[in-house]
Amino acid sequence: DGGITQSPKYLFRKEGQNVTLSCEQNLNHDAMYWYRQDPGQGLRLIYYSQIVNDFQKGDIAEGYSVSREKKESFPLTVTSAQKNPTAFYLCASSSENRYSGANVLTFGAGSRLTVL
Amino acid sequence: AQSVTQPDIHITVSEGASLELRCNYSYGATPYLFWYVQSPGQGLQLLLKYFSGDTLVQGIKGFEAEFKRSQSSFNLRKPSVHWSDAAEYFCAVGPNYGGSQGNLIFGKGTKLSVKP
Repeated sequence: DGGITQSPKYLFRKEGQNVTLSCEQNLNHDAMYWYRQDPGQGLRLIYYSQIVNDFQKGDIAEGYSVSREKKESFPLTVTSAQKNPTAFYLCASSSENRYSGANVLTFGAGSRLTVL
Repeated sequence: AQSVTQPDIHITVSEGASLELRCNYSYGATPYLFWYVQSPGQGLQLLLKYFSGDTLVQGIKGFEAEFKRSQSSFNLRKPSVHWSDAAEYFCAVGPNYGGSQGNLIFGKGTKLSVKP
């Protein structure tokens, strides 16, 4: 079945360490997204990418970095510059089509990062 | 400013009772509208969407929502709630032009509890 795979499901990090969250999709979607979710805060956009080798900052990009070397993959690195990284991270993708308007997001199951 | 408001943080209903979750938005033009559901520790799943046409839209799991332009609302309803509907529900709005889903704005969510 097509879908989005996020790994690891749970991750623990010591302060000062960088960590990378994996996101892989086999939906042949052009666009991919990273959201951060905190209790009672909804979803906030970190980064998104509409095509390979291109990505844009979202609302809360500081302390995060991404790459998009392959269409299927959009890893997120949480750097030591992110002051409050403990959160639930969600990856999503959509079949982007600039001429047909908004499309539907498909989400992965999420990765929970805890800083010790 | 563009925003989505879900006035109810937490709602408890009895199994078999009807349900209405409220969503109000502030947007510069007619947006695309979505409802997503999230089970604990999981990603988001699309319940339904409104792009154009009939303002009453049907979704999965017996849910429906009505777009009311005059009230800037997109409330989610279900005639009879099942225990398995206990989850968190998110309303989202996005642009209705050929743009990126990076512009999607999420509400902060409403947590639904179901009493037996």
